[in-house]
Amino acid sequence: EIVLTQSPGTLSLSPGERATLSCRASQIVSSSYLAWYQQKPGQAPRLFIFGASSRATGIPDRFSGSGSGTDFTLTISRLEPEDFAVYFCQQYGSSPLTFGGGTKVEIK
Amino acid sequence: QVQLVESGGGVVQPGGSLRLSCATSGFTFSNYAIHWVRQAPGRGLEWVALIWFDASREDYRDSVKGRFTISRHRSTRKVDLQMNSLRDEDTAVYFCARDLNPMYFGEPQGVFDVWGQGTTVTVSS
Repeated sequence: EIVLTQSPGTLSLSPGERATLSCRASQIVSSSYLAWYQQKPGQAPRLFIFGASSRATGIPDRFSGSGSGTDFTLTISRLEPEDFAVYFCQQYGSSPLTFGGGTKVEIK
Repeated sequence: QVQLVESGGGVVQPGGSLRLSCATSGFTFSNYAIHWVRQAPGRGLEWVALIWFDASREDYRDSVKGRFTISRHRSTRKVDLQMNSLRDEDTAVYFCARDLNPMYFGEPQGVFDVWGQGTTVTVSS
C-alpha cells in the first residue's frame, strides 16, 4: 500500500499570500496518478486536481499542481477567503487507493 | 445536476449489520463506476469499495473484504453497501462518489469527481 505523507499539517497564512502544500509518497506513483481534494467542515471533499496537474471543472487557475514520482505539490498562488480549508492528496496508481492525512490551511 | 445522496446510516452494535444506499441522478448511471469512501471522526479519508459501471467487477480494501458487499441496481439508479460483522473501527462518515472516467474511456480511474453528502455509521455497544 502506498502511504502518502502531507506537510505541513497546518499552514497559517493571510489572504493574498501564496500556499505551498506537499505530498510525499512511500513509493513511486505510477503515471502521476495523483489527485488533490479540498474539504470544508461538514462537507464532502471536492476534486481540485487530478493527473498531478490537471484542474477539475470549475477550479480557478490560482490552483496548480505539480510533481512526479514520489513528490507532489499543490500551490495556491494567492489565497482567497474561500480557500481556507483542508486539502488531501490521493494516489490512484495502485490498489488500494490511498489518501494523505491532510493539510489544513488556516487564516493567520 | 449530477447528484449522489447517501442513506442508511445509524448506530449498530459490534457484530451487527447495516445497509447503506447511494441514490444517483443527473447522469447516465450505467456509464460510471461508483466508490464508497469513509472518514472516521477527526481522521483522514479511506477508500472502501468500488463497483464497475456494468457491475462486472468489484474491489475492496483488505480490512472489509468478506464483510462488506457493494452492489448496483440499474432500475433504481442506486448503489448499495451491505456491511456485516461491523467493528468499532468501521465507525465513520461514509460517502459514495462517482468515478471521473466514464466507461468509454476504459477502466475506472480511481478519481472521485462527484461526492454525496455522507451518512454516519456508529458501531458501539
